[in-house]
Amino acid sequence: AQSVTQLDSHVSVSEGTPVLLRCNYSSSYSPSLFWYVQHPNKGLQLLLKYTSAATLVKGINGFEAEFKKSETSFHLTKPSAHMSDAAEYFCVVGGYSTLTFGKGTMLLVSP
Amino acid sequence: DGGITQSPKYLFRKEGQNVTLSCEQNLNHDAMYWYRQDPGQGLRLIYYSQIVNDFQKGDIAEGYSVSREKKESFPLTVTSAQKNPTAFYLCASSSGQPNSNQPQHFGDGTRLSIL
Repeated sequence: AQSVTQLDSHVSVSEGTPVLLRCNYSSSYSPSLFWYVQHPNKGLQLLLKYTSAATLVKGINGFEAEFKKSETSFHLTKPSAHMSDAAEYFCVVGGYSTLTFGKGTMLLVSP
Repeated sequence: DGGITQSPKYLFRKEGQNVTLSCEQNLNHDAMYWYRQDPGQGLRLIYYSQIVNDFQKGDIAEGYSVSREKKESFPLTVTSAQKNPTAFYLCASSSGQPNSNQPQHFGDGTRLSIL
């Protein structure tokens, strides 16, 4: 079985400050992990994926995530937030069956 | 450009009516999926299909039906048995099997409301 928990429903940052979106997962198998972003009334866009290669994964738009097996975490970070990063972010686990989506974290960016 | 096209973007359903949401992909993907998204709930899987003429129920299939007559098309029907159909519906596709490491590609969704 597999599950995913996004620890914050909302995160607020100021433009230019670091972003941290937290995700914990549970999986009986070696997991595949993904982060997706969704802008209002749009579909989901893949930011990055982990599939058992390097534990630090770089994605699009300056985002990266680190796979920590001992902590069962896959947190998403970005050094400096931009106004255009305001959106909802989903952590997703796969590899056992169909993908399991977290409930999402809304990122708010203030000027 | 390759991608997934969902139509219509907005749809209204009357009481007792069935409505069909369209999903077409030109990515040559074998697997296709339908999700329902409600605020604060994430995405929940309704149905998925790994190959033409075959599909499986997801976590919340009751009140919905699908068909997969062509590789590129996977329409979803919301039947009158679905008592709470108001939601944002997302179609996705992927290469490989649903439990593979391949990411899913998403359409821009259809927002369904009750009149």
